[in-house]
Order: sequence, then C-alpha cells, then structure tokens
Amino acid sequence: EVQLVESGGGLVKPGGSLRLSCAASGFTFSNAWMSWVRQAPGKGLEWVGRIKSKTDGETKDYAAPVKGRFTISRDDSKDTLYLETDSLKTEDTAVYYCIKYRSPADGALQIWGQGTMVTVAS
Amino acid sequence: DIVMTQSPDSLAVSLGERATINCKSSQNVLYSSNNKNYLAWYQQKPGQPPKLLIYWASARESGVPDRFSGSGSGTDFTLTISGLQAEDVAVYYCQQYYTTPVTFGGGTRVDI
Repeated sequence: EVQLVESGGGLVKPGGSLRLSCAASGFTFSNAWMSWVRQAPGKGLEWVGRIKSKTDGETKDYAAPVKGRFTISRDDSKDTLYLETDSLKTEDTAVYYCIKYRSPADGALQIWGQGTMVTVAS
Repeated sequence: DIVMTQSPDSLAVSLGERATINCKSSQNVLYSSNNKNYLAWYQQKPGQPPKLLIYWASARESGVPDRFSGSGSGTDFTLTISGLQAEDVAVYYCQQYYTTPVTFGGGTRVDI
C-alpha cells in the first residue's frame, strides 16, 4: 500500500523552527517528485514547494511566502522527505501535507499524507 | 502567478441530481507541444486530506467513480458530478500545474 506519514508538527513560538518529516512506503521513493502543501485552519490549499528526484537534478522550488525560510530535502536511503521551517510566523500556522506527484513532470498530486499540524503562537 | 477562480463558492444539490463546478485560470494552461491541459481536481471531505479525482483536465484517477467527469480547455474548466451521492458532500478544488508556483482555486463546497 502506498503511504505517506508526516510527523514533527507542534506548537512553536514566532521566530522558531521545526523540522517536518514524511516517511514514504509502497513505492520507489527515489524516483518520485515530492511536494508539500499546507492548509490554514478553515482555509484553502496553498502549495509550499516541490523537490524533484535525484535523477532529475533534485531541483527545488518554493512558494514566495516561504522562500528563504523553508527548505525541502530528501533522504532516498531512508525513503523520507523533510521540510525544514525557520523564522516561523503566525501565518505559517497550518496543516502541512506531504504529497507524491502522480509521475515526474505530471504535477497532479496523487498521494497525500494525513498531514501534521504546525501552530505558531506566543 | 496563475490565479485560479472557482465558482460558485458553494452549492446545494439534491441527491441524484447534477452538480457543476467551474474553474477559470488567469492564463492558458494548455501546453501546445503535447495538447494537454495541466489542470487537476481534488475532493476534500471534513477531517481528511484532499483526494485526486481528475488530472489532465479530464482523465479520471483510478478508483474514482465515473459520475465524476472533467471538461474544458485553455482557461475554462468544469467538474461535473452526475447523480450526486451523499458521500460526495465535500469541498472541491481545482489546481493548475502548468507552471510553478502551483496554484489552487479557492474551493467549492457541495452540500445536499
């Protein structure tokens, strides 16, 4: 069964940091393009960023609101995706979803994790 | 950035009737070299992550009931639910993946 399981969310003060993890199983993680999408409470979906596979250059792209503060990385030996979040702001409060692309270069977001909640508050 | 605008914000449909959701992109999302529209639709039920329903504007994801269909090209797209079932109550989102940043519509809530 294809599965993504996020962890690492929690309560953090403004200016703080968190590292989110996403454990993948049931597919060849190293070939997959992966993404993070977030959803603030009661709001819509917001793309955070994407990382390509190593064979496709492991290129990373980020949404403007998080660029320079968030970093996506992957450890193919552990089938794990990461989102390093720094300089957190209250507006970063959201459920963060880890997602597998349907296929490389097909940006449809096929497999979603259950999400991990990040709350930024003093 | 490409702005995705959905309409209506919400709609109520009787069981067994048709629901139609519209999505308009601020730029063309049809890639001329492969004639594919880089447009997807998702369903999100309360307390659950979104689920991919439709990709390439009209291709149904595996396991999705055939009462869900997508149509349109260029900048105007439609998701149709033919014969609404109780389990279809959800928020539906369109998404363009023609270019980064990937962007989503604001969502359409479908109720009975």
